[in-house]
Amino acid sequence: GEDVEQSLFLSVREGDSSVINCTYTDSSSTYLYWYKQEPGAGLQLLTYIFSNMDMKQDQRLTVLLNKKDKHLSLRIADTQTGDSAIYFCADARGGGATNKLIFGTGTLLAVQP
Amino acid sequence: EAQVTQNPRYLITVTGKKLTVTCSQNMNHEYMSWYRQDPGLGLRQIYYSMNVEVTDKGDVPEGYKVSRKEKRNFPLILESPSPNQTSLYFCASTRLAGVSYNEQFFGPGTRLTVL
Repeated sequence: GEDVEQSLFLSVREGDSSVINCTYTDSSSTYLYWYKQEPGAGLQLLTYIFSNMDMKQDQRLTVLLNKKDKHLSLRIADTQTGDSAIYFCADARGGGATNKLIFGTGTLLAVQP
Repeated sequence: EAQVTQNPRYLITVTGKKLTVTCSQNMNHEYMSWYRQDPGLGLRQIYYSMNVEVTDKGDVPEGYKVSRKEKRNFPLILESPSPNQTSLYFCASTRLAGVSYNEQFFGPGTRLTVL
């Protein structure tokens, strides 16, 4: 199947770390992406990871990829209220270079002050 | 400023009344697509276009049409809207896939309600 799955909701306190999880089914994925959707806005690319990498760090963001288990996670350190948004993982489907993205269901991150 | 624009941002209409949602990008991207976003389902691709006059169905194309007469524009047409097409619609564009990652640029969204 083409499923990309995420939990629907995560609530954390300001200053804590957030971990958003994603599982995918297509083993030929070349790139995996995390997009952020703020209220009333479109999606913006947050970060991405190439499939031959296990980890990528970018300031407060850490992406972990477990290809064996087809599991992707996004860790946000020192979560702020401005991080409240919906986070989508997306799988570049079809192997090689492809424009088609399969999006997960999205995880709503609520940051409590 | 590089951007994808959509119009209108909000639309309430009635069943059967034809409508068009416009999408325009200023980044000279070849690839454009339309998605719909529904709660618990994420984003699903409706149609995509790899260049002028080249369009193809995505995962949920029923009830929709598109056209790509110019590179910058990719309108979404609902010939006879029905209530199950009530949704949040996003247009996106990107360059054609190459050897590097591909960032898709999204418009701000069009919230459509069909009564």
